[in-house]
Amino acid sequence: DAGVTQSPTHLIKTRGQQVTLRCSPKSGHDTVSWYQQALGQGPQFIFQYYEEEERQRGNFPDRFSGHQFPNYSSELNVNALLLGDSALYLCASSFYQGVGGYTFGSGTRLTVV
Amino acid sequence: RKEVEQDPGPFNVPEGATVAFNCTYSNSASQSFFWYRQDCRKEPKLLMSVYSSGNEDGRFTAQLNRASQYISLLIRDSKLSDSATYLCVVIILTGGGNKLTFGTGTQLKVEL
Repeated sequence: DAGVTQSPTHLIKTRGQQVTLRCSPKSGHDTVSWYQQALGQGPQFIFQYYEEEERQRGNFPDRFSGHQFPNYSSELNVNALLLGDSALYLCASSFYQGVGGYTFGSGTRLTVV
Repeated sequence: RKEVEQDPGPFNVPEGATVAFNCTYSNSASQSFFWYRQDCRKEPKLLMSVYSSGNEDGRFTAQLNRASQYISLLIRDSKLSDSATYLCVVIILTGGGNKLTFGTGTQLKVEL
């Protein structure tokens, strides 16, 4: 039973570039949430996708966008990268918007230079 | 004010010690409460849920005080392997579903 898988594991980008991060949820899960974790901080909620729609959004600018596909996998896109976007990006999957708890992937570490 | 507040630590304790972490939350609509553990450069993993009646899992005891909006985690007989960051997590139920809100985390270092 595969857990949550994220790709890539590490990424280095230049300021102003765009990046796409990918997440495959745990088998049986239909909801995907994305979090940003800066060094020394707790994860911050970016948004949650359920039934291919963004259901909730945290306090992040429109440069952060996402998508959920019919197979429940999800992408996080960040445009016009800033140095401050450097962080660990975590994907968490769950069933029906959180019932039964959340499972986290191991994250994508993004470095913006 | 942050929605979930924790003392960032670090807490440096000797092996075998008892250590307690506290957490406060500001949103009275918070529905569910958890402690997650995060090892260095790894993803958070669920340690235990927290209930008003208190719950225990081996050396770990969690407690919720809804009136004071306060959550605690007690670790008895600390092991070297307990060294990690402990994240207090609150779920707020909204019209769009649940949202996990994390505290900053409290770092624990257990030493010989």
